[in-house]
Amino acid sequence: SQTIHQWPATLVQPVGSPLSLECTVEGTSNPNLYWYRQAAGRGLQLLFYSVGIGQISSEVPQNLSASRPQDRQFILSSKKLLLSDSGFYLCAWSNLEFTTQRTTGELFFGEGSRLTVL
Amino acid sequence: RKEVEQDPGPFNVPEGATVAFNCTYSNSASQSFFWYRQDCRKEPKLLMSVYSSGNEDGRFTAQLNRASQYISLLIRDSKLSDSATYLCVVNRYTGNQFYFGTGTSLTVIP
Repeated sequence: SQTIHQWPATLVQPVGSPLSLECTVEGTSNPNLYWYRQAAGRGLQLLFYSVGIGQISSEVPQNLSASRPQDRQFILSSKKLLLSDSGFYLCAWSNLEFTTQRTTGELFFGEGSRLTVL
Repeated sequence: RKEVEQDPGPFNVPEGATVAFNCTYSNSASQSFFWYRQDCRKEPKLLMSVYSSGNEDGRFTAQLNRASQYISLLIRDSKLSDSATYLCVVNRYTGNQFYFGTGTSLTVIP
């Protein structure tokens, strides 16, 4: 069965410090991978998605970046955190149907990383 | 304009009540529609997909109106365990992006 691991679960960082969140998926190959952010009292905002190694699409301009060095590994980074980067970060994966190039429709989320920037 | 809009609530209903949530989406190219459930401080999980003809899963019924770009979720005989935030989600195959509404908060009261 497929599993998704995301870490760290919780972190408190000072403004201006770097960030690295890591996500790995097991039990599937060539998944679509996503990073979402959920600010307090707000909805999920799509930050990045990736359809393959080295292929990253950004949804919103920001001081965050994403990388996919391996098929099932997705990393979210920042060189200098801002107060506004605080939030609940969620990694997710979905599968692409090979014949129709459609997703199956379900997103599977990691347990999330709660970031507080002070 | 937001891709997906939902009434944030909160909805506070007694056990056994029927409650309905609504959602609208802005892009007519949206192809797939879902309801996700998110418990407090947890990750969202798929509750059910929404099909054009409408579909039911136990106490839950989902409806889609493509002409009005409108999705609904009906919960019958509410249970305490139904308390959560319900997220409306749409997907466009181009780019394989999933767009989430801000969620509707439900609290079922004993």
